[in-house]
Amino acid sequence: GESVGLHLPTLSVQEGDNSIINCAYSNSASDYFIWYKQESGKGPQFIIDIRSNMDKRQGQRVTVLLNKTVKHLSLQIAATQPGDSAVYFCADRMDSSYKLIFGSGTRLLVRP
Amino acid sequence: DGGITQSPKYLFRKEGQNVTLSCEQNLNHDAMYWYRQDPGQGLRLIYYSQIVNDFQKGDIAEGYSVSREKKESFPLTVTSAQKNPTAFYLCASSIGLLQPQHFGDGTRLSIL
Repeated sequence: GESVGLHLPTLSVQEGDNSIINCAYSNSASDYFIWYKQESGKGPQFIIDIRSNMDKRQGQRVTVLLNKTVKHLSLQIAATQPGDSAVYFCADRMDSSYKLIFGSGTRLLVRP
Repeated sequence: DGGITQSPKYLFRKEGQNVTLSCEQNLNHDAMYWYRQDPGQGLRLIYYSQIVNDFQKGDIAEGYSVSREKKESFPLTVTSAQKNPTAFYLCASSIGLLQPQHFGDGTRLSIL
């Protein structure tokens, strides 16, 4: 069935290190993928997105990699900062619909 | 500043009572969405609207109702038929189909 999951519920990294948050999806018809950051008590904040015709996209300090062969998505954060501590969600969209399917999230903890 | 405003931030419902959550956006987005988030979980779609005077059920529409009389407004009513309404409710909007959804800061609904 359609599902988006995450390999690790919590990721702890040292400040200044790079972080990699992974996500697996199950639907080969998914054509759009997106990462959100959610801080406690707030709504999700858009980080970066990627369409299925791409395998890499870079933003400011973030990179999203898409491997359609193994249905895997990752978010890389360079030089992780304390302000990056939050829950990160991946989501995918299937068949050009309006519906996003969200994973359960990974909590990123940044150690000083 | 453009954005999505949800109100109230906290809401309490008595047994058998209907309550309405407000969502207003000034981003000129056509599409709007309502999600429910339970602790430690991802977001689940309640309803969405592609254009004014049109809306569709999401995955968990039972016990909820919406209206879309104006482009900028998409209120959600949690009816007494929703037996487990305690959750964090998030409203989002997007300019189009393959564009990111942008979220408000949510309404936390609790039962008295």
